[in-house]
Amino acid sequence: GDSVTQMEGPVTLSEEAFLTINCTYTATGYPSLFWYVQYPGEGLQLLLKATKADDKGSNKGFEATYRKETTSFHLEKGSVQVSDSAVYFCALSVPLYSGGSNYKLTFGKGTLLTVNP
Amino acid sequence: DAGVTQSPTHLIKTRGQQVTLRCSPKSGHDTVSWYQQALGQGPQFIFQYYEEEERQRGNFPDRFSGHQFPNYSSELNVNALLLGDSALYLCASSSDLGYEQYFGPGTRLTVT
Repeated sequence: GDSVTQMEGPVTLSEEAFLTINCTYTATGYPSLFWYVQYPGEGLQLLLKATKADDKGSNKGFEATYRKETTSFHLEKGSVQVSDSAVYFCALSVPLYSGGSNYKLTFGKGTLLTVNP
Repeated sequence: DAGVTQSPTHLIKTRGQQVTLRCSPKSGHDTVSWYQQALGQGPQFIFQYYEEEERQRGNFPDRFSGHQFPNYSSELNVNALLLGDSALYLCASSSDLGYEQYFGPGTRLTVT
């Protein structure tokens, strides 16, 4: 079935360091890919998305490129801030059932990022 | 423009009881999905409602049921609560049949 594998955390970085969180997926067809962020005590916020191969999603300095050949969607940021401390989830959007037009999200387990000043 | 709202924020129940959680979708959204997020895990799909019908269910027992109202708001009901039902329950809404989903803040359910 469809699944998402994220690098295990926690990840601890100093402010202004470079961030990479790896994400690979298994899916039939051509899913859309998403990164969500969850701050402590809150729900999930959509961070960025990519809908087809070679698309690059970007938002708030974060980027991820949809790599079909390696089935990956790694999250990167050039210079992290303390305010980026959160849990990051990689997710893919797949049809509820074969031939259907409704979609559901399948998530990875999440990666906790802590950024120290 | 209000986003997705959920109530209550927190809830404590005893094993065997029943609980109802509520969700109001973002304005203009007509599809509501429910997810369960256990501590330290990613959200797991429970089911999705569209046009007041359950469209698909994830790997959850029939103790979990739901409803969607004509104004697109939704309820999640859980009967015969188990300790393992303790989790954050997230509601997500969409205007494109669930393709891109926006989440509410969640309801934290604790079963004792």
